[in-house]
Amino acid sequence: DVKVTQSSRYLVKRTGEKVFLECVQDMDHENMFWYRQDPGLGLRLIYFSYDVKMKEKGDIPEGYSVSREKKERFSLILESASTNQTSMYLCASSSRGGGSRGYTFGSGTRLTVV
Amino acid sequence: AQTVTQSQPEMSVQEAETVTLSCTYDTSESNYYLFWYKQPPSRQMILVIRQEAYKQQNATENRFSVNFQKAAKSFSLKISDSQLGDTAMYFCAWAAGGTSYGKLTFGQGTILTVHP
Repeated sequence: DVKVTQSSRYLVKRTGEKVFLECVQDMDHENMFWYRQDPGLGLRLIYFSYDVKMKEKGDIPEGYSVSREKKERFSLILESASTNQTSMYLCASSSRGGGSRGYTFGSGTRLTVV
Repeated sequence: AQTVTQSQPEMSVQEAETVTLSCTYDTSESNYYLFWYKQPPSRQMILVIRQEAYKQQNATENRFSVNFQKAAKSFSLKISDSQLGDTAMYFCAWAAGGTSYGKLTFGQGTILTVHP
């Protein structure tokens, strides 16, 4: 069963901490995405990557960075966590030309920053 | 920039009845895809149905069908014979076609509750 795995289902971190959210896919997909989900706002794209070591900013990149050293792994980094980054984070992957081939999502990480 | 709008924050329906969720979008692209995703309490996003913009025929998947009005930029989801397991958050989403990276743009979501 193909999947996208997010390392943590729930996380609680303190303000100012550096936070790493990990995502691993086993489908040899080229594209990987990080979304943030908030009530009333839907899912908003933070960053995406279309190849190893390649990354592009999404719609709300401020306060975040990403790393993709291997094809299967895409990490989201909160450099200095703040309370307004409390949210649900969803990772997704797709093959090149994702619209025609579909997307696979992880189960999400609910992050609380206190 | 592309936008997707779901104007119904919450909907409810009785079991076995039919419900329609609304979605409008704005784009200047001619080649794109539209999706409906379901997110149950487990949080796992599940693809419900997909529509290719160049296809005139509305997509159907068992009890789920869409009304795709390209000129009006409307993409509604109809759920027939609603079941308790259909209770979930539903998201409408758009992605460019061709050789793009396939970034999804989502609507705000509609919470659907199916009552017994």
